[in-house]
Amino acid sequence: EDQVTQSPEALRLQEGESSSLNCSYTVSGLRGLFWYRQDPGKGPEFLFTLYSAGEEKEKERLKATLTKKESFLHITAPKPEDSATYLCASKGGGGNKLTFGTGTQLKVEL
Amino acid sequence: NAGVTQTPKFQVLKTGQSMTLQCAQDMNHNSMYWYRQDPGMGLRLIYYSASEGTTDKGEVPNGYNVSRLNKREFSLRLESAAPSQTSVYFCASNNQETQYFGPGTRLLVL
Repeated sequence: EDQVTQSPEALRLQEGESSSLNCSYTVSGLRGLFWYRQDPGKGPEFLFTLYSAGEEKEKERLKATLTKKESFLHITAPKPEDSATYLCASKGGGGNKLTFGTGTQLKVEL
Repeated sequence: NAGVTQTPKFQVLKTGQSMTLQCAQDMNHNSMYWYRQDPGMGLRLIYYSASEGTTDKGEVPNGYNVSRLNKREFSLRLESAAPSQTSVYFCASNNQETQYFGPGTRLLVL
């Protein structure tokens, strides 16, 4: 059974204070590792897909990386508008079903 | 291009009442999904439809039924609502690579 574990559950940063969110996964035959952003009261918004160890993707202040057991979402010089819950999900085996972690709630303060 | 739309946005039911949550996508995707999201539990798959005319159970199907009406629409029905079904429900659709989510339906069962 696929498992995805995210840490920390919550993270509070000062504006400009860089940090990383962790996603540990156990999946048979990884076919994609996904990051989503979710704002309060809204649906998850797609950020990145990573397919193989060593792959990196960037978008503005966010960079996602992937190893054989973990993915990291690095946030460089965050701003208050980066405050959200960040979800990680894995896709393995056949089909397009995703297994989600419980998310990291990020708050960036001035 | 509206993406994934869901109706209603919010609903209050009494125990034992029935209702149908509607979902539609205009991206010509084959696969569609219903999730529920509860605090501390993450997104859990209720049912999915890999293509028009097919539906399959996910992780938490009990108490729910689905209908894939056509390629665009995928509905979720609660035949006899229970307080344990109080949750936020998200519909998603999938192209070959990525799942895209709707804005959610907040359901309160009293």
